[in-house]
Amino acid sequence: AQSVTQPDIHITVSEGASLELRCNYSYGATPYLFWYVQSPGQGLQLLLKYFSGDTLVQGIKGFEAEFKRSQSSFNLRKPSVHWSDAAEYFCAVGPVNTDKLIFGTGTRLQVFP
Amino acid sequence: DVKVTQSSRYLVKRTGEKVFLECVQDMDHENMFWYRQDPGLGLRLIYFSYDVKMKEKGDIPEGYSVSREKKERFSLILESASTNQTSMYLCASRGTISYSYEQYFGPGTRLTVT
Repeated sequence: AQSVTQPDIHITVSEGASLELRCNYSYGATPYLFWYVQSPGQGLQLLLKYFSGDTLVQGIKGFEAEFKRSQSSFNLRKPSVHWSDAAEYFCAVGPVNTDKLIFGTGTRLQVFP
Repeated sequence: DVKVTQSSRYLVKRTGEKVFLECVQDMDHENMFWYRQDPGLGLRLIYFSYDVKMKEKGDIPEGYSVSREKKERFSLILESASTNQTSMYLCASRGTISYSYEQYFGPGTRLTVT
């Protein structure tokens, strides 16, 4: 069955530190991959997406993600975290030829000054 | 920019009440979705619709129904609200032209059933 795993429920970093949020998926072929961010009390906003081509994708707010087929991973990174990045982050998989997205359970990011 | 709006940000209802959650999108999208979000469970798909008057069950449709009479509006209905339906409800929409499966989300409705 198709699935998405975000192994880290909660991550705490200091402002200015680098960040990597992990995402692994289970699917028989290369799916469409997404990272969304949810600020407190808000809906989800798309950070970036991968369909094909260059495996390193750039998104908004200085985020990037790298697709690694051999590891079935799509980890999100940011070189220097800002306090405003504190939020919940969701990885999602969109299997080809379906209308559904499958979401991970989310990683809550806390940023200390 | 795509805009997805939801009728209420916060809602408090009593057990047994019939509850309507409304969602409107302004981008002429064909596809619309209702999710519920619970801590530790992520987003789970309740229902989706790929056209007016068309609907399909998602992963957790029990206790819910939907209505899509107009392309821009997708309603989620709790026929008889129960306390285990206390949750955050998120609506989303997606067009088919881009073939990107990217979904655009509303701000959510936090429903409390007492």
